[in-house]
Amino acid sequence: DTEVTQTPKHLVMGMTNKKSLKCEQHMGHRAMYWYKQKAKKPPELMFVYSYEKLSINESVPSRFSPECPNSSLLNLHLHALQPEDSALYLCASSQATSGGTGELFFGEGSRLTVL
Amino acid sequence: GQNIDQPTEMTATEGAIVQINCTYQTSGFNGLFWYQQHAGEAPTFLSYNVLDGLEEKGRFSSFLSRSKGYSYLLLKELQMKDSASYLCAPDTGFQKLVFGTGTRLLVSP
Repeated sequence: DTEVTQTPKHLVMGMTNKKSLKCEQHMGHRAMYWYKQKAKKPPELMFVYSYEKLSINESVPSRFSPECPNSSLLNLHLHALQPEDSALYLCASSQATSGGTGELFFGEGSRLTVL
Repeated sequence: GQNIDQPTEMTATEGAIVQINCTYQTSGFNGLFWYQQHAGEAPTFLSYNVLDGLEEKGRFSSFLSRSKGYSYLLLKELQMKDSASYLCAPDTGFQKLVFGTGTRLLVSP
């Protein structure tokens, strides 16, 4: 199974709502990632979890809160978002090694619209 | 920090050859990834170069020069389905994979 599954595929939320994006992988990968992608732009790194610990936070606003409950799951909790946060949110995983990052496997993404 | 540069857009015709360049400056370097992303889809892995030189994989080849901070992706016998964005990403080895600006390739008949 080389799949990364993201839910929901589409999400519309108001600026006062609280919602979560979910990501799951069963490849035994120990690194998991959140990327944000705006139209016609490359994916922009947000967070990296390595062995279930947050290892990288690319100065992301606190209205985005990541969580890694176990080695297979990654969540992104959303609260008080702004319309400019509307984007495709991509989850990825890789086999974390000391020799390199390893190939990233991406999910199909969750398309978020903030009204 | 990292500085990764790619041309924004390229156009080519079916059956032709196209070369997409990537220049980078990073602190720490293990290798370089190339990913393909079709519109509305997730990025998919194309290649990973660790050593200098050309690596061929079917119609796609990728070249790396570590000393020059330079890589390119070579696509041969272009097909319409190759219309996509191509993303290069230097691997600093700390799971911090940052993508370049991406190159949108349009293949026309």
